[in-house]
Amino acid sequence: EAGVAQSPRYKIIEKRQSVAFWCNPISGHATLYWYQQILGQGPKLLIQFQNNGVVDDSQLPKDRFSAERLKGVDSTLKIQPAKLEDSAVYLCASSLDRLGGYTFGSGTRLTVV
Amino acid sequence: QKEVEQNSGPLSVPEGAIASLNCTYSDRGSQSFFWYRQYSGKSPELIMSIYSNGDKEDGRFTAQLNKASQYVSLLIRDSQPSDSATYLCAVSSGSARQLTFGSGTQLTVLP
Repeated sequence: EAGVAQSPRYKIIEKRQSVAFWCNPISGHATLYWYQQILGQGPKLLIQFQNNGVVDDSQLPKDRFSAERLKGVDSTLKIQPAKLEDSAVYLCASSLDRLGGYTFGSGTRLTVV
Repeated sequence: QKEVEQNSGPLSVPEGAIASLNCTYSDRGSQSFFWYRQYSGKSPELIMSIYSNGDKEDGRFTAQLNKASQYVSLLIRDSQPSDSATYLCAVSSGSARQLTFGSGTQLTVLP
């Protein structure tokens, strides 16, 4: 089966600019997650979708981050405006259900300068 | 606040030895436990899952779970240089069953 697709792989932006990341989960996976992984740390959940509804976005900095999952398939994560501390790898993951482990995409490495 | 703690390492073992990685978690209601391997510059890859107390073996990997002690471990037998990576412990809890990750243990297997 095809894996979780993410783009772009790398992005460099200046602080206060905006950026968007795209994710296409494994076909049939109802649950989609966005994680932020800062260098040297474990991934931290930003938002969880079940189909096209938000299950949990309690750790999403909503003043600057937004995410959507239209039609329960693809998802985009946006940051506006970006801060230096947003430099991280943004990982998208999907799972068939909530019981098993996730499959991660290759991630987007964001550098804010 | 759900917490997952791991020894950050780095942990170095000689080739052929057993590598032991440990993890503790704070949420006593946690239901599922996972180990991910992450090579430098790559995304996490699921290598083991365990759901009930005891041991689960898969090839050279053995996951151990003790819910009473809120402790999960991963043993890697006959360690190979290709096992050198960061190992992330992840715990699933709550109705949404989200994974909370530890900060990872960096393992180096010396040839």
